[in-house]
Amino acid sequence: AAGVIQSPRHLIKEKRETATLKCYPIPRHDTVYWYQQGPGQDPQFLISFYEKMQSDKGSIPDRFSAQQFSDYHSELNMSSLELGDSALYFCASSPVGDVNEQFFGPGTRLTVL
Amino acid sequence: AQKVTQAQTEISVVEKEDVTLDCVYETRDTTYYLFWYKQPPSGELVFLIRRNSFDEQNEISGRYSWNFQKSTSSFNFTITASQVVDSAVYFCALSEPNSGGYQKVTFGTGTKLQVIP
Repeated sequence: AAGVIQSPRHLIKEKRETATLKCYPIPRHDTVYWYQQGPGQDPQFLISFYEKMQSDKGSIPDRFSAQQFSDYHSELNMSSLELGDSALYFCASSPVGDVNEQFFGPGTRLTVL
Repeated sequence: AQKVTQAQTEISVVEKEDVTLDCVYETRDTTYYLFWYKQPPSGELVFLIRRNSFDEQNEISGRYSWNFQKSTSSFNFTITASQVVDSAVYFCALSEPNSGGYQKVTFGTGTKLQVIP
């Protein structure tokens, strides 16, 4: 069965650089969520989109922005990267009509040097 | 606000022992979902179970079992006859609708389980 695809799987950036993480939801899933998991911590909700509109917002820094495109894939843009942004970033998607079923992608591990 | 508490930070057991991971949650909603995820050292989040607030029936899946008790707001997870491959961080999580009807998942802080051969 198709799963959530995240790219890249690993990313290394320098401080103050920008990064773009991509998420491709499972086909026929219209809701996408982004989570950030710092080292030794639990995943924290950042933002979600439903039908290309932002549906909820969590503890997402102003330096980060995200959007969902017409094909339902989503991108998380991170600017002025800081050391503390080093984390595992998960994307999850939900099928039409069942927002309680979140399927997580494998994550993108971002390292900021 | 919703909250999930996993009081056990780390647990070590010897292989073949049974182990129970505790999870206590707080929510103001009557409709919510509870989850357990496994995160092995490789980092991915592996879905284990979802339970809605109206279904208090306990569930068993192989060596895994879950005990959901609304009266105590607990959703505990037991691994029977633990194996080394069970070594991972286990997260309990809760989702409830926001004002727009959309869900986000709130995770507990996780319990790191080490199974010693």
